[in-house]
Amino acid sequence: IAGITQAPTSQILAAGRRMTLRCTQDMRHNAMYWYRQDLGLGLRLIHYSNTAGTTGKGEVPDGYSVSRANTDDFPLTLASAVPSQTSVYFCASSETPNQPQHFGDGTRLSIL
Amino acid sequence: DQQVKQNSPSLSVQEGRISILNCDYTNSMFDYFLWYKKYPAEGPTFLISISSIKDKNEDGRFTVFLNKSAKHLSLHIVPSQPGDSAVYFCAGIYNFNKFYFGSGTKLNVKP
Repeated sequence: IAGITQAPTSQILAAGRRMTLRCTQDMRHNAMYWYRQDLGLGLRLIHYSNTAGTTGKGEVPDGYSVSRANTDDFPLTLASAVPSQTSVYFCASSETPNQPQHFGDGTRLSIL
Repeated sequence: DQQVKQNSPSLSVQEGRISILNCDYTNSMFDYFLWYKKYPAEGPTFLISISSIKDKNEDGRFTVFLNKSAKHLSLHIVPSQPGDSAVYFCAGIYNFNKFYFGSGTKLNVKP
């Protein structure tokens, strides 16, 4: 079934550790996004990529980095995790920027 | 400062009646507004959108209304069904990649 796959589905991580959240889509969408969802704040955009080889900063990029080496994959890296990065992370894609997005099922990340 | 606000965290409606979900925004530069629906342990799914140059868009049981002068939009679901029970997010977009989501409203449709 076509869609977006996120891995892992959940993770508990010690503060200071490095972590990469994986996101793969098989819809050949050009644009991809990473959001975090926190209670009372909705979804906030971390980073985005309009097309393979390009990335941009969203609303809350600090502490996160992304890469877009190809169309299908858009990993999100926390170089040195902090407790405030405890959240549910959603990856999304759209055929082109400004189009409605398709979302993965999320990664629940807890930083202790 | 949230640019898109959903001030009602929850709403309870009887099956068959109308559900009205509200959203306010502060940024007059939004080009489009979208509504997403989210079930527990799943990602949001796109429901309906409206361009900032329109005031209404309808798709089956779902209608979105936009009042630009009041910076307000609403999603109407008629008739409401138990399967509509979910969290609904509104979002505004401008400059292609500036997406701002509200905090969500949890809708409960009672049988």
